Amino acid sequence: DGGITQSPKYLFRKEGQNVTLSCEQNLNHDAMYWYRQDPGQGLRLIYYSQIVNDFQKGDIAEGYSVSREKKESFPLTVTSAQKNPTAFYLCASSITGAAYEQYFGPGTRLTVT
Amino acid sequence: QKEVEQNSGPLSVPEGAIASLNCTYSDRGSQSFFWYRQYSGKSPELIMFIYSNGDKEDGRFTAQLNKASQYVSLLIRDSQPSDSATYLCAASSASKIIFGSGTRLSIRP
Repeated sequence: DGGITQSPKYLFRKEGQNVTLSCEQNLNHDAMYWYRQDPGQGLRLIYYSQIVNDFQKGDIAEGYSVSREKKESFPLTVTSAQKNPTAFYLCASSITGAAYEQYFGPGTRLTVT
Repeated sequence: QKEVEQNSGPLSVPEGAIASLNCTYSDRGSQSFFWYRQYSGKSPELIMFIYSNGDKEDGRFTAQLNKASQYVSLLIRDSQPSDSATYLCAASSASKIIFGSGTRLSIRP
């Protein structure tokens, strides 16, 4: 069964701690993306990667970091520098590039207190 | 700032009627257009994509694109209660995809 998995579904952290969100895909897609969604709002792009070992900042990259060591995996670290990290985080992948449809994982809801 | 605009709703439509969702985009370089459905607390699910001017039909869904007017729409025929969700419009160029904030659709029995 091809798809995108994100874990965990819910994550709770104390302020000041770094936390890493997992994203894995077995769709053989080259491009992967991380978005943040706040209540009642659209998706905002954090980081994206179009090829292994390469990634670019999106619109709201401050306080976040990523790596792309394998085609299948694109983990996102929310650092303590992110001022308002509580949100719904969505990982997506596409064949290659933004012109192609993106498929989303189930999301991770992060709560920082 | 390149944008995709949608009416936030809620749009209330009686069961069995046609629901019409609209979206405008500002980047004339946009080439591909997508409609996603998102249930509350869930991730977006792709339901339609369109690249060329005109209509594209898939079951009860029809996507319409007018590049001259920079306008995309989604029609849902024979609306069902299960269609109640937020619908996200997205427009992409070769380098970037931009999502609208979504329209909340409510199908009333």
